[in-house]
This record gives sequence, C-alpha cells and structure tokens, in this order.
Amino acid sequence: GEDVEQSLFLSVREGDSSVINCTYTDSSSTYLYWYKQEPGAGLQLLTYIFSNMDMKQDQRLTVLLNKKDKHLSLRIADTQTGDSAIYFCAVNSGGYQKVTFGTGTKLQVIP
Amino acid sequence: EAQVTQNPRYLITVTGKKLTVTCSQNMNHEYMSWYRQDPGLGLRQIYYSMNVEVTDKGDVPEGYKVSRKEKRNFPLILESPSPNQTSLYFCASSSPGNYEQYFGPGTRLTVT
Repeated sequence: GEDVEQSLFLSVREGDSSVINCTYTDSSSTYLYWYKQEPGAGLQLLTYIFSNMDMKQDQRLTVLLNKKDKHLSLRIADTQTGDSAIYFCAVNSGGYQKVTFGTGTKLQVIP
Repeated sequence: EAQVTQNPRYLITVTGKKLTVTCSQNMNHEYMSWYRQDPGLGLRQIYYSMNVEVTDKGDVPEGYKVSRKEKRNFPLILESPSPNQTSLYFCASSSPGNYEQYFGPGTRLTVT
C-alpha cells in the first residue's frame, strides 16, 4: 500500500520560513493535501495540490510538488507562534476515499 | 453551522465491554470515514463509507465494526475492546468532487 513519510519534528524562530517535507510512494496519487492539527483539536485542511501541478501558493503558504521524486513540501513564510501545530501530509491512493496520512510533523515556533 | 460531531469526546472503559462511538454530519455528505491517531503513526483509516449501506475496510479494520443506515450517521462499534485500541479517533466526511474532508473533534478512548 501507500507509504507517506515525514520528519517528526521541526523547530524555527518566529519570522523565519518553515519548510515541512513529505515523501510518498504511490505515483498514481491524484490529490495531495496538507492538514494542520492544533493541540486538542481535529484536523483542518490547509491546502491541497493536484498531481498535474508543480506549485501552489496561498498567502503565506507555498506547496511544491516534485512528482519525479515523489516529494511534497509545505513552506510557511514569516512563521508565527500561532503556526505551532502538527502538520500532516496526506495523499489519495486507490480511489477518492482512500487517503493515506503521514506521521505528522510537529512544528515548534520559538518567539 | 456545518460540522461533524462525535460522542463521547472522552471514554475510559474496560477490556471486553462493548462500546459505540457516534459520528454525525449535517452537510449531507456521501462519504464518511473513521481514523485512529497514534503517536509516531499519524492517522490510519479504519473504515470508510461511500454512501448509505456501502462500507469498506481501511488499513486497520481489525476489531472494529461500522454501519451506515442513514446518510448523516456513521457509528464506530468496538464489540470487545482491547488495550491496543486505546487511541484518539476521528470521524470525517466529504462529498464527491470536494477535495476536503471535514473532521470531527476527536474521541479519546482508553481501554484498561
């Protein structure tokens, strides 16, 4: 089955850029997502990208997709303390409803 | 307000005592899923449903049952809970052509 991997932890200083990386194995994945989970809360969709795109920008968020290397990244510009959360990469595999999540990257923003 | 609700939010139970976690959505979504979240493992899909009376296994279905008798509800049933089912459970819903899954607030289950 699909395997989605992320590093577990990232620490950045407030105002710097954060880059969270993700690798996946299923080259037929159509939609790739980034979700944010704040402490004690459910998951919230941050952004998504179609597999036929290389980049998507949404305000402070930039998603880069390298299909050849099966690598997805999320860049957060001007990182704020409110960005502290766990970020999950997710890809659909085996059908629209078959979504595989990565392990999550805990982002710590140091004031 | 569009939302996915789960009940209970917290539950402590003992091995072997049957329990049900309810999930309800008010967005008329066809698709619903159950996930469990464990440290270092991310979210893993337990079961999903494409519509009423249509359910299928996800990646970790063992020890769980689901039913989808109505479009809005998708309960998760643990017939005989065991300690390895201690986890944080999330229900989610979405509709065809919509790229976003809407998640419930989670149910933290402890089985002793």
